[in-house]
Amino acid sequence: DGGITQSPKYLFRKEGQNVTLSCEQNLNHDAMYWYRQDPGQGLRLIYYSQIVNDFQKGDIAEGYSVSREKKESFPLTVTSAQKNPTAFYLCASSITDSGNTIYFGEGSWLTVV
Amino acid sequence: AQSVTQLGSHVSVSEGALVLLRCNYSSSVPPYLFWYVQYPNQGLQLLLKYTSAATLVKGINGFEAEFKKSETSFHLTKPSAHMSDAAEYFCAYCGNQFYFGTGTSLTVIP
Repeated sequence: DGGITQSPKYLFRKEGQNVTLSCEQNLNHDAMYWYRQDPGQGLRLIYYSQIVNDFQKGDIAEGYSVSREKKESFPLTVTSAQKNPTAFYLCASSITDSGNTIYFGEGSWLTVV
Repeated sequence: AQSVTQLGSHVSVSEGALVLLRCNYSSSVPPYLFWYVQYPNQGLQLLLKYTSAATLVKGINGFEAEFKKSETSFHLTKPSAHMSDAAEYFCAYCGNQFYFGTGTSLTVIP
């Protein structure tokens, strides 16, 4: 089935560690996104990419990094510079034409221990 | 600035009662508007999408939304709430990027 796969579902990070969240899609979408969701709050855009080897910062990019080496993959690294990383992370994708639907993965929980 | 505003962060309805979740948008051009549903610990799932083809949009699970340009609104409704409708609902606007509302948590009381 076509879709967006995020892994791992649950991840624990120690202070000072970098961790990487995986996102893979087989929908042949050009655009991919990472959102952060804190409990009881809306979604905030971290990074997005509309084409391979190119990406742009969203509203809260500090402490995060991404790469887009392949069309189907858009991993997110949460660096030690992100002071409050505990959150639910959502990966999404869409085709790039204006107004097209954005589709989401199942999300990954990151907790700092 | 382009945005969406969801009125009411929490809504409670009795099972079988009307569900009404409110969303207003701010835009100077005809927008693309969406409603998404999120169940606990899951991603967002598309309920319905407005693309200007019709002002009344029907979605999955018996939900529908009406686009009212004069009121800049896109409220989500369902005639009869079911226990399985309990979830978080997000209104979204697509301009040069996606803008999500802050969400409305729907509780259904048996």
